[in-house]
Amino acid sequence: NAGVTQTPKFQVLKTGQSMTLQCAQDMNHNSMYWYRQDPGMGLRLIYYSASEGTTDKGEVPNGYNVSRLNKREFSLRLESAAPSQTSVYFCATQLAGVSYNEQFFGPGTRLTVL
Amino acid sequence: RKEVEQDPGPFNVPEGATVAFNCTYSNSASQSFFWYRQDCRKEPKLLMSVYSSGNEDGRFTAQLNRASQYISLLIRDSKLSDSATYLCVVNKGTYKYIFGTGTRLKVLA
Repeated sequence: NAGVTQTPKFQVLKTGQSMTLQCAQDMNHNSMYWYRQDPGMGLRLIYYSASEGTTDKGEVPNGYNVSRLNKREFSLRLESAAPSQTSVYFCATQLAGVSYNEQFFGPGTRLTVL
Repeated sequence: RKEVEQDPGPFNVPEGATVAFNCTYSNSASQSFFWYRQDCRKEPKLLMSVYSSGNEDGRFTAQLNRASQYISLLIRDSKLSDSATYLCVVNKGTYKYIFGTGTRLKVLA
């Protein structure tokens, strides 16, 4: 089992370009999350999907959109990338939205916006 | 004030030492508490959940103090492989978690 996979691993964009970060899980988990991690800051929630067919904003949603394509896949789209979106992006999954359940993270996507 | 605060370190300790980290949180309604470990340029991985009664997993002990709103992590008999950043995580609602910035530990030979 692959667990949680993310593609691409690395990406360099120019300001204004768009791209989609992909996340897939084979853990049969209901809930999925997108976080960003910046130096000197904790992981911050961008969007989450409590279950297939639902998505909600997190702490820092501006400039991003998401799609929960099915139970396995949750994508994050940057429509017009900005240098402030340079970060490491982590996808995470959770069995159910019960707060004491562990989150499982993918390996991350390192994005640089020039 | 940050919702979750950790001393960034680094904590440099010799092999075999005991080291403790604290993490304070501001939301008194939080119910779930965790310590995650993150190696350099890797994803976070759960080290242990923190229960009200405290819990132990081998060389690791976690404690929760609700009155003072902090959680702690104690590592005994430190190994070189314990070198990592330790993230304190506290829930803020069902689907929302606040991550601390992490405490960096370096175990020295």
